[in-house]
Amino acid sequence: DAKTTQPTSMDCAEGRAANLPCNHSTISGNEYVYWYRQIHSQGPQYIIHGLKNNETNEMASLIITEDRKSSTLILPHATLRDTAVYYCIVRAPLPFNKFYFGSGTKLNVKP
Amino acid sequence: SAVISQKPSRDICQRGTSLTIQCQVDSQVTMMFWYRQQPGQSLTLIATANQGSEATYESGFVIDKFPISRPNLTFSTLTVSNMSPEDSSIYLCSVGRDTDTQYFGPGTRLTVL
Repeated sequence: DAKTTQPTSMDCAEGRAANLPCNHSTISGNEYVYWYRQIHSQGPQYIIHGLKNNETNEMASLIITEDRKSSTLILPHATLRDTAVYYCIVRAPLPFNKFYFGSGTKLNVKP
Repeated sequence: SAVISQKPSRDICQRGTSLTIQCQVDSQVTMMFWYRQQPGQSLTLIATANQGSEATYESGFVIDKFPISRPNLTFSTLTVSNMSPEDSSIYLCSVGRDTDTQYFGPGTRLTVL
């Protein structure tokens, strides 16, 4: 699996958009970009994933660059409950393929 | 998604003892995995729990220390054997179907004294 690089931590004001970057310059053509978050040692929560096109769901938007070497997770209106560690993972959708977690980004949403 | 439960949610154990952690899913899944999260660290994959056969362990993890069972498509156990304080971690199971997204259980917080 390709490796990812994320900033260690970021701050965001409550109510503003949180933009979390991820670099995955060695991503392969069939590998998806997945985002999970972990709130205070709970089990990681799935957020969103995508291959090439931008994706949006009720939680977030995922913007993938045209060359697919980086992506940005956008939380449009961050709340205090969005304070968590956010993990960007690349993975090919093969049967029994595994998720390997990097160190993630600690997002601190401040009042 | 799937509803995943783990038992126990937390435990405090003495060194040298063993603890078995259960993971139950509300529907049949193809894949079940076990992770460890040491204090302040990210998640590390321990093994893939294979239904009806021996688990597949990641580098650095061995069956004698972390025996795993998976008797059916909805249940798995992880045993942490001969525990030491270094085994104090959160242990998480995750599940998925074929190429699908993985979903995680709430975790078991283990403290070894």
